[in-house]
This record gives sequence, C-alpha cells and structure tokens, in this order.
Amino acid sequence: DAKTTQPTSMDCAEGRAANLPCNHSTISGNEYVYWYRQIHSQGPQYIIHGLKNNETNEMASLIITEDRKSSTLILPHATLRDTAVYYCIVRVPGAGSYQLTFGKGTKLSVIP
Amino acid sequence: GAGVSQTPSNKVTEKGKYVELRCDPISGHTALYWYRQSLGQGPEFLIYFQGTGAADDSGLPNDRFFAVRPEGSVSTLKIQRTERGDSAVYLCASSFQAGGLETQYFGPGTRLTVL
Repeated sequence: DAKTTQPTSMDCAEGRAANLPCNHSTISGNEYVYWYRQIHSQGPQYIIHGLKNNETNEMASLIITEDRKSSTLILPHATLRDTAVYYCIVRVPGAGSYQLTFGKGTKLSVIP
Repeated sequence: GAGVSQTPSNKVTEKGKYVELRCDPISGHTALYWYRQSLGQGPEFLIYFQGTGAADDSGLPNDRFFAVRPEGSVSTLKIQRTERGDSAVYLCASSFQAGGLETQYFGPGTRLTVL
C-alpha cells in the first residue's frame, strides 16, 4: 500500500469547516483512499472512501485531486465531538488485501 | 444492532503471566481482524481470520502470541509469558467479508498493562 503523509495536528473552531489534508504521491491507479477517525478511548471509525471522484456522505466530504496525489477530508460544520485522530489510508481492495495500514494520523482539536 | 465488543476493557497483569483477550464480532461478519495500538501510534495489524481459519498471521510479533476463532464467530487472542513491551491497546475489528470495499468495524479495545 502507498505511504501517506498527514500533518501531526490541526485546530478548528467549532461550527467551521475542518479541512484535513493527506498526501499520497505514490498512489497507484487501483488504490482507494480511505479515512477513519479515532475518538479518545474508542476504536477507529470508518468515515468515507473514494477512488478518483469526490465523495460525500452524512459525515464528511472527500476531495481527491485530479492527479490523485493528495486528498482532503472536509467536515463541513465541526463540532466538539469531532475532536479525534484522523487517519488517511490508501489500499487496494480485492482478494488478499484486507489489513488497514495506519500511520500516526492528524490530531484534530475542535475549539469552542 | 450490536457492534463489536471486547472483554475485558482493561487487563493488568504481571510480567510472565498468560492472558486471554476476547472479541465478539458483529453477527454475520465472516472476517475478523486483530490490531495492536501502542501509545501515540496508529493501530498495527496482527492477524486476520476468514471464518475459522487464520488467513494471515504475519503481523503477530512472535510465537508468544496466538489467536483462535473455533466456531467462526468469537475470537480469543492469547499471549503467553507476557512482557512489559506487550502493554498496548488490543483492537478487534470485523467485516462482512474481506478483500473488497468492505468497512471494518472496530471494537473499543482492551487496554493491556504488563507490570
């Protein structure tokens, strides 16, 4: 799986959009971008994934650049409950590919 | 519905002792995964089960670690002769199947402390 690079930490004001970047410059054509988050003392929670098109669900939006070398997770209206470590993961789904390879992630602090 | 559950939530043991950590996956999920998370790090893969068999145990750090899933549901991670370096949060995840675009659902973890 391709390596990802994320900032160590970020702050965001409550109610504002949180934009979390991820670099994955060595991503291959069949690798998807996944985002998970981990709230303190809980297990990781799936947020969203995408291949090349932008994706949106009830939790967040995922914007992937045209060259796919980077992506941004957007939480449109951050709340205090969004304070967590956010992990960007790239992987190839398919037979034999099942483990998630986590980095250190970005610690997002939502400030009141 | 019920999520992935893990017991105990916390386990304190002494160096050299044997411990068992239990994972109850989401009903109907055939794939089960164990990860280990050290302080300040992301989770690291240990082992993956498809049904009853361990399809990949390449992440187990050494032969003191062993996991079983005898009936294809509940799994137990077993650690023999525990060492202080085994202290970590042990996470279990399950998914409906493995290898596709499936979502892995994680439990809350078991925090193991080896004194």
